[in-house]
Amino acid sequence: QSVLTQPPSASGTPGQRVTISCSGSSSNIGSNAVSWYQLLPGMAPKFLIYGNNDRPSGVPDRFSASKSGTSASLAISELQSEDEAEYSCAAWDDSLQGPVFGGGTWLTVL
Amino acid sequence: EVQLVESGGGLIEPGGSLRLSCVTSGFTFTNAWMSWVRRAPGKGLEWVGRIKSESDGATTAYAAPVKGRFTILRDDSKNTVYLQMNSLKIEDTAVYFCGNRGGSRIDNWGQGALVTVSS
Repeated sequence: QSVLTQPPSASGTPGQRVTISCSGSSSNIGSNAVSWYQLLPGMAPKFLIYGNNDRPSGVPDRFSASKSGTSASLAISELQSEDEAEYSCAAWDDSLQGPVFGGGTWLTVL
Repeated sequence: EVQLVESGGGLIEPGGSLRLSCVTSGFTFTNAWMSWVRRAPGKGLEWVGRIKSESDGATTAYAAPVKGRFTILRDDSKNTVYLQMNSLKIEDTAVYFCGNRGGSRIDNWGQGALVTVSS
């Protein structure tokens, strides 16, 4: 069981805006920045966003992140078929003294 | 282009040892903190451990499930980080990824190496 809680699945249609939630506690999301990753089977995970929308070059601004208290969200606007993938959140945990991850959310583009 | 390539995975019996390698290119390895993260079948990502740069003391930190059994090493002359895994357990079965940077932010990842612990 992952330390951070994500819904196992989400879905949307092309052009739509979808959000994926990530719930933690005061020792992780509540006090540290959150990272988001895109995972595809057999491929290297891809870093998407850190903190307040710090995106690496090449990640479109359709991807945005937010945080409130001990929860965080990833929003994907103008949904495209290529966005169909698994998304995982992560945050440093002050109690465990290491990063913790969510269980992942599989996004289906209908 | 940043590249990280893991190797050394395979099938190993419980109690055995295995060493994974992660050869990197495209960034200044000597300045990089390096991490190992794994993903067991049907589960989410799990941090394994990290090693700081030599200039930061090359100190290591490990997750509780692997502490005392796994060791992370680095060879800056080869731009390579290693994960030495001893006393392997069935629950260590996973795809193991290396990544650059420590903490929850890992900018670049390898494609992973599958380790299967089974009798």
